[in-house]
Amino acid sequence: KAGVTQTPRYLIKTRGQQVTLSCSPISGHRSVSWYQQTPGQGLQFLFEYFSETQRNKGNFPGRFSGRQFSNSRSEMNVSTLELGDSALYLCASSLLQGDSYEQYFGPGTRLTVT
Amino acid sequence: AQTVTQSQPEMSVQEAETVTLSCTYDTSESDYYLFWYKQPPSRQMILVIRQEAYKQQNATENRFSVNFQKAAKSFSLKISDSQLGDAAMYFCAYRSPAGNMLTFGGGTRLMVKP
Repeated sequence: KAGVTQTPRYLIKTRGQQVTLSCSPISGHRSVSWYQQTPGQGLQFLFEYFSETQRNKGNFPGRFSGRQFSNSRSEMNVSTLELGDSALYLCASSLLQGDSYEQYFGPGTRLTVT
Repeated sequence: AQTVTQSQPEMSVQEAETVTLSCTYDTSESDYYLFWYKQPPSRQMILVIRQEAYKQQNATENRFSVNFQKAAKSFSLKISDSQLGDAAMYFCAYRSPAGNMLTFGGGTRLMVKP
């Protein structure tokens, strides 16, 4: 089975622009979660989608949004980029059936805001 | 809200020796899940080991084992027979039974000396 894939892997944007990141979960996984990883704040939960519905949301401003499609692929969008949004954005997918709740992470998208 | 603390920012171990990484957490829930994730340099995060809070027996995966002390809210990771490939950032994570959000500790950078 193919793992979690994220595109693009690297991205450079300018302050004020917006960006869309994509995540394709492992086949059959219906839950997709997003995390932001920075040296200062560590790993922080952004949001989780399950069957196209946002189930949980972390403590991030409204500039951060996401969605999930019927094939479980997910996108996250950041509008009006700020320098502090520079980070590694990780996507994780999970089966969420019975005891299968482990999250499998993708390689991440490295976003640099200049 | 739950918090996870890893008090050792860096640890070092000699190849073939044993090392223990510490993790403490704070929660008012009685049922939850704990994980250790490994993030090698520039590579994606992988699950090392998991522990369900309702299980008294400590989890073991080959050279990796945990010491789960529920009353003390402690969840340490022991790596036996350390190998060069074990060098990575290790993150302790907590998951509530309600939802799929992971709360991460700040991480411990493990260096393995040949």
